[in-house]
Amino acid sequence: GAGVSQSPSNKVTEKGKDVELRCDPISGHTALYWYRQSLGQGLEFLIYFQGNSAPDKSGLPSDRFSAERTGGSVSTLTIQRTQQEDSAVYLCASSSRGGFGANYGYTFGSGTRLTVV
Amino acid sequence: SQQGEEDPQALSIQEGENATMNCSYKTSINNLQWYRQNSGRGLVHLILIRSNEREKHSGRLRVTLDTSKKSSSLLITASRAADTASYFCATDIYNAGGTSYGKLTFGQGTILTVHP
Repeated sequence: GAGVSQSPSNKVTEKGKDVELRCDPISGHTALYWYRQSLGQGLEFLIYFQGNSAPDKSGLPSDRFSAERTGGSVSTLTIQRTQQEDSAVYLCASSSRGGFGANYGYTFGSGTRLTVV
Repeated sequence: SQQGEEDPQALSIQEGENATMNCSYKTSINNLQWYRQNSGRGLVHLILIRSNEREKHSGRLRVTLDTSKKSSSLLITASRAADTASYFCATDIYNAGGTSYGKLTFGQGTILTVHP
């Protein structure tokens, strides 16, 4: 597609429920990154994909968080048993040369605003 | 302090004035990038400066990089009300193996307000 697409744009869920957030990167971009941003804060790195593999999962806050990427394209971030502290905007970005340094910059999606009530 | 700290946290200026934002970082970088964010949603890539570059221009933007001081600045000249946004620096740092795979570490951002 023309840009990075994320869905849903907004999600309100009850504490304890599972949620799935989807990211559709720019076609041909091999590197995909998930970040989250709490209100008024900077971006917190979650996970990086190169193709379908995830060389760096160091930012996932707990084992309730998982992510996968299939076909070198779409990625899904799953949060199980959501907690109120999971409320944030979840941002996905893709880049064409992730394996060689982010020398071309990221293209970000518009994010999913997750609210856990 | 963390990798990629912006200064000031907030900046308020009049239209037509210049805006300068600073970023400091701690570890060796492959490159440093600046992004803009409107309304707390997706970030837009503005400019990238590599570790062997000292200055770069793009339209009304001027970025400098001083690797000896581990700092960068973003200058927006002749600011406009439409420049009102949060601005983030992000560093692409080398991992323990001396390579980089492009993971960016973002600072907390500078909130710029340009008054008409």
